Amino acid sequence: DGGITQSPKYLFRKEGQNVTLSCEQNLNHDAMYWYRQDPGQGLRLIYYSQIVNDFQKGDIAEGYSVSREKKESFPLTVTSAQKNPTAFYLCASRGGTRNTGELFFGEGSRLTVL
Amino acid sequence: SQKIEQNSEALNIQEGKTATLTCNYTNYSPAYLQWYRQDPGRGPVFLLLIRENEKEKRKERLKVTFDTTLKQSLFHITASQPADSATYLCALYNFNKFYFGSGTKLNVKP
Repeated sequence: DGGITQSPKYLFRKEGQNVTLSCEQNLNHDAMYWYRQDPGQGLRLIYYSQIVNDFQKGDIAEGYSVSREKKESFPLTVTSAQKNPTAFYLCASRGGTRNTGELFFGEGSRLTVL
Repeated sequence: SQKIEQNSEALNIQEGKTATLTCNYTNYSPAYLQWYRQDPGRGPVFLLLIRENEKEKRKERLKVTFDTTLKQSLFHITASQPADSATYLCALYNFNKFYFGSGTKLNVKP
């Protein structure tokens, strides 16, 4: 079935370690997004990519990095520079046209820093 | 940047009643506005989209209105069911970005 696959679902990290969250889509969508969700808060945009080999910072990009070498893949690295990385991370791709597209989300990755 | 406000308090209603959720935004009007449903520990799921030149949109038991003068969208679920219990997020799209509200939790009691 077509969709967005995020892995791992749960991840534990020690302070000072970098971790990479995987996001793969087989929907043939150009645009992909990474969001962070904290309890009781809305989704905050970390990075987004409109096309392969191009990406832009969102509102909270500090301490994160991404790459977009393939259309299907948009991995997110949480670096040791991110001061409060414990959160629920959501990856999405945008379907439809620019005037009508909705986001298709993965099931999320929950990162806990020990 | 765009600021979106949704009622942070949970909405508790009785089964069969109509649930009405509010989304207010500041600054510029979006190209379009969307509503998503999110269940605990899951990713949001798209429900409805309404464009800036549309007043109302319906889909089965769902209805969305959009008032660009008031900078507000209302989301209605008619004949609500316990299975409708979830958190509902509104999202605004502008300049290649989606901005999300914090969501309103709906509890439908049997």
